[in-house]
Amino acid sequence: KNEVEQSPQNLTAQEGEFITINCSYSVGISALHWLQQHPGGGIVSLFMLSSGKKKHGRLIATINIQEKHSSLHITASHPRDSAVYICAVHNTDKLIFGTGTRLQVFP
Amino acid sequence: KAGVTQTPRYLIKTRGQQVTLSCSPISGHRSVSWYQQTPGQGLQFLFEYFSETQRNKGNFPGRFSGRQFSNSRSEMNVSTLELGDSALYLCASSLDGQTLGQFFGPGTRLTVL
Repeated sequence: KNEVEQSPQNLTAQEGEFITINCSYSVGISALHWLQQHPGGGIVSLFMLSSGKKKHGRLIATINIQEKHSSLHITASHPRDSAVYICAVHNTDKLIFGTGTRLQVFP
Repeated sequence: KAGVTQTPRYLIKTRGQQVTLSCSPISGHRSVSWYQQTPGQGLQFLFEYFSETQRNKGNFPGRFSGRQFSNSRSEMNVSTLELGDSALYLCASSLDGQTLGQFFGPGTRLTVL
């Protein structure tokens, strides 16, 4: 079993829909990252959080430390949101990655 | 502030050769971490350097090595290349490699023929 599990693996949506991507982990962590990777490989760090909730534009990330679970929400999705979203947990000075969720948003 | 830069961006090698990849962190960042991304295994941690010392290491064979210079620039070396080493190699820098955020470079795509 992977230490970091993401669901769903693939997600398609129509423009404007509300998107939720989930991440569960089984190890102790000091922080959790949500990353976005566009075709071509570049990775952008969206959020780093260790408790509660963070919001940036149309993106919202939440974490429940007791349940070892985090969610990334995208409101009013847009085709430019199409990318792979990766959850990563910071564990003993290294990052452990989930397998990613491939999101495609159609106009 | 300039971002993390990696050179080269693309590389093609043949089995048995060796390769050196370079990563220049954001100015002031002392921690550099290296990751391998393949379609089958996803992103995996290779190692982390902090102040010229390897501080953490993932589960990769000894063919994978690295170093960090006094200006925090880091190099990663893979010797005796295998077909399975074909991957995107990403480096990320941070101030101290702890809970502060990491900033990723664009990656080097290595193809081993």
